[in-house]
Amino acid sequence: DAGVTQSPTHLIKTRGQQVTLRCSPKSGHDTVSWYQQALGQGPQFIFQYYEEEERQRGNFPDRFSGHQFPNYSSELNVNALLLGDSALYLCASRPGLAGGPGYEQYFGPGTRLTVT
Amino acid sequence: GNSVTQMEGPVTLSEEAFLTINCTYTATGYPSLFWYVQYPGEGLQLLLKATKADDKGSNKGFEATYRKETTSFHLEKGSVQVSDSAVYFCALVTGGGNKLTFGTGTQLKVEL
Repeated sequence: DAGVTQSPTHLIKTRGQQVTLRCSPKSGHDTVSWYQQALGQGPQFIFQYYEEEERQRGNFPDRFSGHQFPNYSSELNVNALLLGDSALYLCASRPGLAGGPGYEQYFGPGTRLTVT
Repeated sequence: GNSVTQMEGPVTLSEEAFLTINCTYTATGYPSLFWYVQYPGEGLQLLLKATKADDKGSNKGFEATYRKETTSFHLEKGSVQVSDSAVYFCALVTGGGNKLTFGTGTQLKVEL
């Protein structure tokens, strides 16, 4: 049973460019969340998708957008990249919105984005 | 809002030493508490969790007790190994149970 997978592993972009990161959730999971982890910091919640809709959003600008597909996979898009967007982007999945806060979220290995 | 405060790292210990990593939190509502571990070059793995006051989460020799009166969830292990070297994150979730709030992480280095 594959866990959460993310692609690409590493990415280098230039300021002002746009980037798309991809995530496939763990089998049986239909809720996907994205987190940004700056170097030496804890992950920060970006947003969450369920049933192809954004359900919850953290304190990130509109340059950060996402999408969820019918097969539950998800994309994170970042427009007009800034140097400060350099970070590890983590995807996490869980089964459904219900089930209580004790449900474990499974994390992928992340995509390391470097903006130059 | 929610926040998590962890002790600063790095924490350097000799193998078989006792480990404590402090974690305190503030939360709106009644949180569930988690410890995640991140090994070099990898994503986060759930280490243990507790969903109500006085619960003790445990896994792989690590333990943490949910203390509502002190708003704490300190991580402990009686005898660390070199393979425990990693970054440890304390986290909480409230309400709908999906937005995790993390601390800044504590790096643990275990030496022979």
